[in-house]
Amino acid sequence: GAVVSQHPSRVICKSGTSVKIECRSLDFQATTMFWYRQFPKQSLMLMATSNEGSKATYEQGVEKDKFLINHASLTLSTLTVTSAHPEDSSFYICSATDRGYYAQYFGPGTRLTVT
Amino acid sequence: RKEVEQDPGPFNVPEGATVAFNCTYSNSASQSFFWYRQDCRKEPKLLMSVYSSGNEDGRFTAQLNRASQYISLLIRDSKLSDSATYLCAVNRGSSASKIIFGSGTRLSIRP
Repeated sequence: GAVVSQHPSRVICKSGTSVKIECRSLDFQATTMFWYRQFPKQSLMLMATSNEGSKATYEQGVEKDKFLINHASLTLSTLTVTSAHPEDSSFYICSATDRGYYAQYFGPGTRLTVT
Repeated sequence: RKEVEQDPGPFNVPEGATVAFNCTYSNSASQSFFWYRQDCRKEPKLLMSVYSSGNEDGRFTAQLNRASQYISLLIRDSKLSDSATYLCAVNRGSSASKIIFGSGTRLSIRP
């Protein structure tokens, strides 16, 4: 149980384009999903908390207009990196909590490279 | 001060050894504690939750010390496959489900 999928696993795009990443909870309903970013040899950095049916809550320093989050259903959240630049290249990972249990289960991550 | 702090390591120990990591947290209101394992270029995977009374899962033992605000992970009879980065995670006190991760402790087991 508690499987989270993420798509795509890897994407290469040109500077200035937008990229959408999907995060799905496959066998449970996730009222809350989280988006993280991890640069090489660094820790996971929480970007935003996504609640189904409401606006995402962004961490300090994360631009909400650049990283658009939509949590349309209890099993799907999307992160759109708008007008991507090379400095946005990173490993983006989503996670979801199973209702009533606070451990987070992670998707396999999306490696974004902006050229 | 960081919300969650870990010794980055690396810890380099021989197979069969016992190794322990600590992780300190700053928010005394935190209620949920976890250890995750992350392999290179992969997502973190939940290793175990940490309960107030301490808990054990096979070769792994987790402890919580609320007074000193730290959690620990003990690995006995370490295997080559235990080589990974171990992340501790603590919920941000005011939000039960928002979890903050430490920067991780790298463990390398040598034959």
